[in-house]
Order: sequence, then structure tokens, then C-alpha cells
Amino acid sequence: NAGVTQTPKFQVLKTGQSMTLQCAQDMNHNSMYWYRQDPGMGLRLIYYSASEGTTDKGEVPNGYNVSRLNKREFSLRLESAAPSQTSVYFCASSPLPRSQETQYFGPGTRLLVL
Amino acid sequence: QKEVEQDPGPLSVPEGAIVSLNCTYSNSAFQYFMWYRQYSRKGPELLMYTYSSGNKEDGRFTAQVDKSSKYISLFIRDSQPSDSATYLCAMSGNNRLAFGKGNQVVVIP
Repeated sequence: NAGVTQTPKFQVLKTGQSMTLQCAQDMNHNSMYWYRQDPGMGLRLIYYSASEGTTDKGEVPNGYNVSRLNKREFSLRLESAAPSQTSVYFCASSPLPRSQETQYFGPGTRLLVL
Repeated sequence: QKEVEQDPGPLSVPEGAIVSLNCTYSNSAFQYFMWYRQYSRKGPELLMYTYSSGNKEDGRFTAQVDKSSKYISLFIRDSQPSDSATYLCAMSGNNRLAFGKGNQVVVIP
């Protein structure tokens, strides 16, 4: 039981490049989330998926897209990376939607955009 | 007023001391209260979870919730160097989930 896994662990991009961050969970959770964490800003929700087939915007969705590929996998795509997207990205999952249950986090992806 | 306020610290204490961390909140709809621990370069992990006012104890950790004052606390007794981490409060309710910014704790041997 690996919990929540994320790939890659670290990535360097040039401004304008695109990339997809992958996330998978093996806990049979319904809900999945993408956060970014920046110094002094805490965790900010980018997108979430309450259940397979649904996605919704969080606090800071601009510049990102997501895909809930199946119950296990939730990917985050940066179409045209900008230096402001330099951050640590965390994927999380929970059994129920975010108002009721605690969340389980992955190890994070460190992204540097030059 | 921000939805969740948490003093970012850092907080340095000697080994064996009691660590006291606090968060205040403004949303009365919050019913579930959590504390996460995050080690450097790792993801947050759930430490404590409670949904009622009062105290909840788990080993050296005590979570305290005062809904009337909209105030939650985490106490760490007999602190150890391995407790050095960032502690994030979180609270949820009425389809809202909010995190504090985190409080860095350093336990000095």
C-alpha cells in the first residue's frame, strides 16, 4: 500500500514549456486534490476532483488544467510554464469530499521555472 | 479577517519542553479540526483529528478545541528533536477546507 505517489519528484522547466505532474492513490479514495505550497503562503488549492469524472477549480486555478483519468489517477498540467509557477506541488486524496474527511498527501513535486 | 490565522514562527524550544501551537478561525461552519505535521521536503501527514470542543490526547500530543472562541491548540509534551517540523492546522465544514500557513518548530537537543 503506497498511499499517494507523485512523479516526478523534481523538475526544471524553461518559461513557456509544458509539463504534466502525475498523481496516483491506491486507497480507493473518491476525492483527489492538487495544492501548491509557497513560503509564507501556506497550502493553496489549485483544483480538486470530488469523484471520478468531476473536477472543480480551487483558489488558484489560472495557468493549470487537470484530468481525473480514473479513480486512482489525477494529473495536473501546466500548458505554458511561468516563473510564478515555481513551487512545491502536492497531490492529496480523501475518502469523502473535503468538508468531511482528512486528506492524505503525496511526497510532493518541486518545480523550478526559469 | 483571514479565515484561518496561524503564527508562522519559527519556534525554538529545548528538548523536553512543552510546545504550544495555536490557530484561530473566523468561519463558524468549521466542525472538523486537524493538525498536520510536515517534515522538511516531505508532504504533510495527519497528526491529530477532532470534531468536538475539548481535549483529545494521543501519546505526547494533545489537541484542544474551543469552538466558542474559535481557537484550537496543539500541545507537545516532552518534546524531542524528532518533533522538529512544520505544523499546519486545518479545519473543514460546510464544503470548505482551510489550512493555516504552518508553524515551524525546532527542538534543540
